[in-house]
Amino acid sequence: NAGVMQNPRHLVRRRGQEARLRCSPMKGHSHVYWYRQLPEEGLKFMVYLQKENIIDESGMPKERFSAEFPKEGPSILRIQQVVRGDSAAYFCASSPQLAGGNEQFFGPGTRLTVL
Amino acid sequence: AQSVTQLDSQVPVFEEAPVELRCNYSSSVSVYLFWYVQYPNQGLQLLLKYLSGSTLVKGINGFEAEFNKSQTSFHLRKPSVHISDTAEYFCAVSDQGAQKLVFGQGTRLTINP
Repeated sequence: NAGVMQNPRHLVRRRGQEARLRCSPMKGHSHVYWYRQLPEEGLKFMVYLQKENIIDESGMPKERFSAEFPKEGPSILRIQQVVRGDSAAYFCASSPQLAGGNEQFFGPGTRLTVL
Repeated sequence: AQSVTQLDSQVPVFEEAPVELRCNYSSSVSVYLFWYVQYPNQGLQLLLKYLSGSTLVKGINGFEAEFNKSQTSFHLRKPSVHISDTAEYFCAVSDQGAQKLVFGQGTRLTINP
């Protein structure tokens, strides 16, 4: 049973370009979470999605960032017009049902570098 | 809003010595508590979690943690560490009924031979 998959593992973009990060949850998991880890910091919640629905985007910057989890295919975190401050590791996690006390399974992360 | 404080950013210990990594959280409402480990360039792996019941929780790799409601703490301990325990350790909290995890800043555990 494959774990949470994220691609690409490393992504380099120049300022002003777009970054697309993909996350395939574990088989049977319908809940996806995105977190951002800035250098030397802990993970910060960004957004929680179920299939075709954004449930909680309270941690997502209001501009340039968007997320989706379509009926078919991976979840996508999209960052438009990237700036240097967007350089970070972006982690996706999934759970089979409402997380609550259930474990969130994390992917290996995408490390975004903005030049 | 919930917050988590890991009091030590770095903890160096000698191999086979005991270790305690400290974690305090802010909210007094009912919470779920977690410890995750992150090895270099990898994602997070769950070590253990507290949901309810016994305040002493045992996890993988010989780790355990104790939930102390009055002190709002959830410290992680291991009686004898190994070189392979070198990693970053994150404490996380979620309010019961909430889905998101709130993480501490992390503690880098370094094991010296």
